[in-house]
Amino acid sequence: AQTVTQSQPEMSVQEAETVTLSCTYDTSESDYYLFWYKQPPSRQMILVIRQEAYKQQNATENRFSVNFQKAAKSFSLKISDSQLGDAAMYFCASRGVYGQNFVFGPGTRLSVLP
Amino acid sequence: DAEITQSPRHKITETGRQVTLACHQTWNHNNMFWYRQDLGHGLRLIHYSYGVQDTNKGEVSDGYSVSRSNTEDLPLTLESAASSQTSVYFCASSSTGTSGGPNTGELFFGEGSRLTVL
Repeated sequence: AQTVTQSQPEMSVQEAETVTLSCTYDTSESDYYLFWYKQPPSRQMILVIRQEAYKQQNATENRFSVNFQKAAKSFSLKISDSQLGDAAMYFCASRGVYGQNFVFGPGTRLSVLP
Repeated sequence: DAEITQSPRHKITETGRQVTLACHQTWNHNNMFWYRQDLGHGLRLIHYSYGVQDTNKGEVSDGYSVSRSNTEDLPLTLESAASSQTSVYFCASSSTGTSGGPNTGELFFGEGSRLTVL
């Protein structure tokens, strides 16, 4: 079974500053993918970043990067130079490489203060 | 462009009525999923399908059913709506990847359907 935990229900950050959202997971899969999804007030679910667990290098997408600690089963998201448009709910998710089902964490609501 | 659409976007119904939420994707994905989103619970899996005529129960399937008669559509039916089923419902799809190889696709989501059961 897979579980995903996000221990920060809410976070806030000043515009242009950096913030890190935490995620821990547990899985019985030998290989798996990890994801961060963003859900702005529009309700649309948007993929932010993806990490293949067999890759040691941390994934990056522009201002978004992850700190993937496989032994600790930790997958945090760092947002640099925060913008007002980054304000959203952020969900961490996992999926086995050969499995089809995704497991989501409860989400972290991020506020960006001007 | 390929997309995944849900209808209706908003629905208000009464307890005991049957409700069907439609989901249509043009990605040609084999895998389709229905989730419900409730505060504090994130997204919870209701039902999923890996292909035509295949359906499976998720963690919160009681009171819901799905059918998959073609690749594009996975309608979600609430047989007798209950107030506990008031929620936002998301349909999603993903690719299977090459035969025998790993699935590398992320989930593609519809825009969600807000259902209120009075």
